[in-house]
Amino acid sequence: DQQVKQNSPSLSVQEGRISILNCDYTNSMFDYFLWYKKYPAEGPTFLISISSIKDKNEDGRFTVFLNKSAKHLSLHIVPSQPGDSAVYFCAARGNAGNMLTFGGGTRLMVKP
Amino acid sequence: GAVVSQHPSRVICKSGTSVKIECRSLDFQATTMFWYRQFPKQSLMLMATSNEGSKATYEQGVEKDKFLINHASLTLSTLTVTSAHPEDSSFYICSAQTGGPNEKLFFGSGTQLSVL
Repeated sequence: DQQVKQNSPSLSVQEGRISILNCDYTNSMFDYFLWYKKYPAEGPTFLISISSIKDKNEDGRFTVFLNKSAKHLSLHIVPSQPGDSAVYFCAARGNAGNMLTFGGGTRLMVKP
Repeated sequence: GAVVSQHPSRVICKSGTSVKIECRSLDFQATTMFWYRQFPKQSLMLMATSNEGSKATYEQGVEKDKFLINHASLTLSTLTVTSAHPEDSSFYICSAQTGGPNEKLFFGSGTQLSVL
């Protein structure tokens, strides 16, 4: 049973437009959510996170929105740049410990 | 879907002992595996990148002699925490990467290490 799902395996966006990556979860005990970015041949790097007590967190071009009632979070990148082309993973952590549960990833391609 | 098995999920050990954590890709060959550490309330920290048959590449600040990584086969990588100390207590997680043009990354479920 996948507790964290990224239903879109890939997304293609034009440079300068907004990229929206979605993530759904089923476990209501998750209290902290993170987004990671991964380039080919490199390890994932932390991008942005949000606590369940918030519904929005913004860092530069990156904004994460959390809708707890829908058990849905999304990552917005605006404006998108070709260097944003990577695989993006969302992850969730329960309040009982440190274990992270990852989604399957979404490959973002930003076209010049 | 692809599965990465990480074992053990939880280990408690005495200070000074060594602990080995295994990361296995169950249904695919992983040319590259990654090891991470997570401190409480913080995000994952990449410790090292492990390529099958070659020495691991460690991130800055990670002690190579402290955290021994072996990637002897395309389906198994191990992380050994040598002479563990209480400050090594943490959550360790691995991920395995498939090869090919559409590489994918799959994560293990993590190991909670507690050093007494």
